[in-house]
Amino acid sequence: DTAVSQTPKYLVTQMGNDKSIKCEQNLGHDTMYWYKQDSKKFLKIMFSYNNKELIINETVPNRFSPKSPDKAHLNLHINSLELGDSAVYFCASSQEGLAADTQYFGPGTRLTVL
Amino acid sequence: GQNIDQPTEMTATEGAIVQINCTYQTSGFNGLFWYQQHAGEAPTFLSYNVLDGLEEKGRFSSFLSRSKGYSYLLLKELQMKDSASYLCAVLLEQGGKLIFGQGTELSVKP
Repeated sequence: DTAVSQTPKYLVTQMGNDKSIKCEQNLGHDTMYWYKQDSKKFLKIMFSYNNKELIINETVPNRFSPKSPDKAHLNLHINSLELGDSAVYFCASSQEGLAADTQYFGPGTRLTVL
Repeated sequence: GQNIDQPTEMTATEGAIVQINCTYQTSGFNGLFWYQQHAGEAPTFLSYNVLDGLEEKGRFSSFLSRSKGYSYLLLKELQMKDSASYLCAVLLEQGGKLIFGQGTELSVKP
């Protein structure tokens, strides 16, 4: 059983397009996150939601918009894709989120913008 | 600002012991995590320290000194499958934000 799942695993698209990445967790966690991992392997937090409420919103272009329809799902929509958006995007979840609870990561979505 | 430093690469021999160091300077501290990430895969949780001292878990141990802003991950009886990137991450007090270092790429050679 997959704990944190993401779709699609690979996404290749042209500059200027709009795309979405979906994330679901079946761990019953309250908090979900989106991270970006660039080519230098730095993993950086983008957003977090706790029970559908936005908690962390890093300095991310407003072309990126997270949406949490319920606490088990956190989707990421990206408008007007740019070359610099190419990266691996990881979704993660944890229980409560404000305490020191372990974050469990999804398999990642490798986005390539041409 | 937040700063987490770890060596970029390390090489070790199968069966040996390796220590991966991590130093941090962060505004707030609520614990330190180590994650393992194999190429093309998700980071997976290895250990968590919030108090000073050593936490042991099988072949892996992690140490923390909060006064020195220092942690290390110790891997014993290295196996080829331990070749991976090891990520040090500090949990900040505010909002559950996890700040990652750039990772240490460990290569285990026969």
